[in-house]
Amino acid sequence: GAGVSQTPSNKVTEKGKYVELRCDPISGHTALYWYRQSLGQGPEFLIYFQGTGAADDSGLPNDRFFAVRPEGSVSTLKIQRTERGDSAVYLCASSLGGGTRYYNEQFFGPGTRLTVL
Amino acid sequence: GIQVEQSPPDLILQEGANSTLRCNFSDSVNNLQWFHQNPWGQLINLFYIPSGTKQNGRLSATTVATERYSLLYISSSQTTDSGVYFCAGRPAGGTSYGKLTFGQGTILTVHP
Repeated sequence: GAGVSQTPSNKVTEKGKYVELRCDPISGHTALYWYRQSLGQGPEFLIYFQGTGAADDSGLPNDRFFAVRPEGSVSTLKIQRTERGDSAVYLCASSLGGGTRYYNEQFFGPGTRLTVL
Repeated sequence: GIQVEQSPPDLILQEGANSTLRCNFSDSVNNLQWFHQNPWGQLINLFYIPSGTKQNGRLSATTVATERYSLLYISSSQTTDSGVYFCAGRPAGGTSYGKLTFGQGTILTVHP
């Protein structure tokens, strides 16, 4: 079956511009996660959605970052006034469920490589 | 938050050799996962192993939850095993229901 998909695969933008990154989770997965991976590092958590609501946004670095999941499926990560330090690979993951009692193995998409010039 | 320490940071092997990768956690975790990140950046799920032992072909993993560590064994390594191996866990307590915390990874290079 189809895995997690992300678009675009690469995005080059100029400092100060606005970008949107899209994630399509595995069909039927209620939980969706965004992570960011810098060169040579492990992925770092940004935000977690259970259904349409953001259950944990503690990893968002500042208020320039925002994410939505209006219908409980596709999610968009939005970055305003991009800075060179935002350059990284943005990874999306999904899992069947998301609560502590539930099996929630996370499956990752291929990522979007964002470069801010 | 929890700290995840992976060792060794780098590992170079000849094809056919065996290896053990280790992951230590600073606190109790559940939903422990091992991943292989291939040269194209894709994270591939290897094991979901909160406790116990699992095997999949040449790979096996063991998690001792009470001692907060996990091991990944690779036997008869192949060049296609090269890449970065990550472990990640979710804190067992608190409200971080979704957040996986990753280690820094082990870079594995297998030479023919």
